[in-house]
Amino acid sequence: RKEVEQDPGPFNVPEGATVAFNCTYSNSASQSFFWYRQDCRKEPKLLMSVYSSGNEDGRFTAQLNRASQYISLLIRDSKLSDSATYLCVPRGSSASKIIFGSGTRLSIRP
Amino acid sequence: EPEVTQTPSHQVTQMGQEVILRCVPISNHLYFYWYRQILGQKVEFLVSFYNNEISEKSEIFDDQFSVERPDGSNFTLKIRSTKLEDSAMYFCASSGRGGDYNEQFFGPGTRLTVL
Repeated sequence: RKEVEQDPGPFNVPEGATVAFNCTYSNSASQSFFWYRQDCRKEPKLLMSVYSSGNEDGRFTAQLNRASQYISLLIRDSKLSDSATYLCVPRGSSASKIIFGSGTRLSIRP
Repeated sequence: EPEVTQTPSHQVTQMGQEVILRCVPISNHLYFYWYRQILGQKVEFLVSFYNNEISEKSEIFDDQFSVERPDGSNFTLKIRSTKLEDSAMYFCASSGRGGDYNEQFFGPGTRLTVL
């Protein structure tokens, strides 16, 4: 089973919409989670850290369901600048490296 | 806001040549990483570095690769004899702590093109 699974998308939504996508992870020992965003040909940028049941930062909300081993990201009032690939990163016992998946592509249209 | 910087932004080299990619991590960080991303593919881990030694490396990081922290600020990745398949974006990252809670911050990358 892959360490992390995300719907690759693309999610194509109008500006102002609310969009949510999930990430399922296989390592039940994961203690912390990160959402990164990556623009085309740019570096991954840390968007949110999740250490407990969830986190909220402005228009972005992450929720963690440990029982079902998934983490979701909700984006409210989406902006054109939110168009990017969103990468879910569960952190587990092998803490040194990040294993990136392919992420979920989000495209916001005017 | 402190950030990771990388130079050069783009490096073009001939196959078989040596290249050195440079990174300046965030100043109080102790954990350093190199990743690469071949065009259209996922970001892949290459190596992690802590306390002046490699702590983990991937299968990609073979004898052609080496890392060094020559002074208190720079962190370099050397590829001794470049191959065509080394063409990729190379990202440096740093973190202030290890373990489960290490948030890694990435530099803007160096695009390496091997001809």
